[in-house]
Amino acid sequence: DAGITQSPRHKVTETGTPVTLRCHQTENHRYMYWYRQDPGHGLRLIHYSYGVKDTDKGEVSDGYSVSRSKTEDFLLTLESATSSQTSVYFCAISESRDTQYFGPGTRLTVL
Amino acid sequence: KNQVEQSPQSLIILEGKNCTLQCNYTVSPFSNLRWYKQDTGRGPVSLTIMTFSENTKSNGRYTATLDADTKQSSLHITASQLSDSASYICVVSEESSASKIIFGSGTRLSIRP
Repeated sequence: DAGITQSPRHKVTETGTPVTLRCHQTENHRYMYWYRQDPGHGLRLIHYSYGVKDTDKGEVSDGYSVSRSKTEDFLLTLESATSSQTSVYFCAISESRDTQYFGPGTRLTVL
Repeated sequence: KNQVEQSPQSLIILEGKNCTLQCNYTVSPFSNLRWYKQDTGRGPVSLTIMTFSENTKSNGRYTATLDADTKQSSLHITASQLSDSASYICVVSEESSASKIIFGSGTRLSIRP
């Protein structure tokens, strides 16, 4: 498996609280991505990064922010969690625009 | 709008049988098409990747085909095993973009003993 870890793996939180998810890689890949996966939908891109401090929005970025201060870490923050953000979140990495390697996922429940 | 449609949504077959999953896309300009396998509770894992000039790619019992003219791809699984039970996701990338990666909703395959 590619060296990608996500933390936490499971989290239950309440509406209105801030939440930060962490993705850590040991592969030194340039690109890092955050996706959410919901029933009936394909994986949808939230934000991605193409280098340290270089990030851009995906198709479902509202309510989310990201930061990448080091090559190996990509943080996803929900400033004020809502029930619609209950989902499974996947981090992915890639060196080029070809194959992406996915982390194990974080299951987030917002009550 | 760029889209990736997969069929069927779900499929149940007996162990040892073959099956074929379909993927139609409208992504343009096209860069590459990938098939991923996602086990329950895990992240997707790449099976194959094909560019415009490739029309078939194999990975063990998995064979993917691509018809870039009709914008269709298929994933054929030979001699299915119980461990093949998973979701299979078709993913198409738009040329010259690191973020324009369109995921299909997947086909949920169940293998019965």
